[in-house]
Amino acid sequence: ETGVTQSPTHLIKTRGQQVTLRCSSQSGHNTVSWYQQALGQGPQFIFQYYREEENGRGNFPPRFSGLQFPNYSSELNVNALELDDSALYLCASSSLGEKLFFGSGTQLSVL
Amino acid sequence: LAKTTQPISMDSYEGQEVNITCSHNNIATNDYITWYQQFPSQGPRFIIQGYKTKVTNEVASLFIPADRKSSTLSLPRVSLSDTAVYYCLVGDFLPGGYQKVTFGTGTKLQVIP
Repeated sequence: ETGVTQSPTHLIKTRGQQVTLRCSSQSGHNTVSWYQQALGQGPQFIFQYYREEENGRGNFPPRFSGLQFPNYSSELNVNALELDDSALYLCASSSLGEKLFFGSGTQLSVL
Repeated sequence: LAKTTQPISMDSYEGQEVNITCSHNNIATNDYITWYQQFPSQGPRFIIQGYKTKVTNEVASLFIPADRKSSTLSLPRVSLSDTAVYYCLVGDFLPGGYQKVTFGTGTKLQVIP
């Protein structure tokens, strides 16, 4: 157990809809990052939040957005869902500069 | 970001030592090397991290040559529960740097009874 919890565990949406995924960080961690993992692939970095500010972003379009709250929990929002957005979405928390602790992920299916 | 190359898959018998090598020719001075393990439907789990020479913890060893262009994860006496995907990551983990890390496709290790 890493202490990082994600909700929901599974989600089914249709193309064009919007989705919000949630992550609770491990106690004491001030940094949250989000990853997308397609079937059979390694996780791909979406973005990272440190003290409620986005301080790093991967190659994902603006319809992927996020928030970090004062208690360091975080949300990932995806607008205008596409079929290719179907994936396992992973949240990782850490203290800045330290190793990542991952949650078990949210499996998103877009139909 | 430094790109990493690993074998796609490996098989090993229970009780054997397994060595997985990762190539990272473009590693930068500030980059650390980190290995993660991932089971199906779970998030990756940290195994070991190093900068140079050899690092050992309770589950694995990490060997890094002087030029740092490759690294080898060594798992002693594997068991069936070690069947998983293993990822080699190279990234700037120094305090103040953001952890924009790049996972490759990983090495799928199958441990055989």
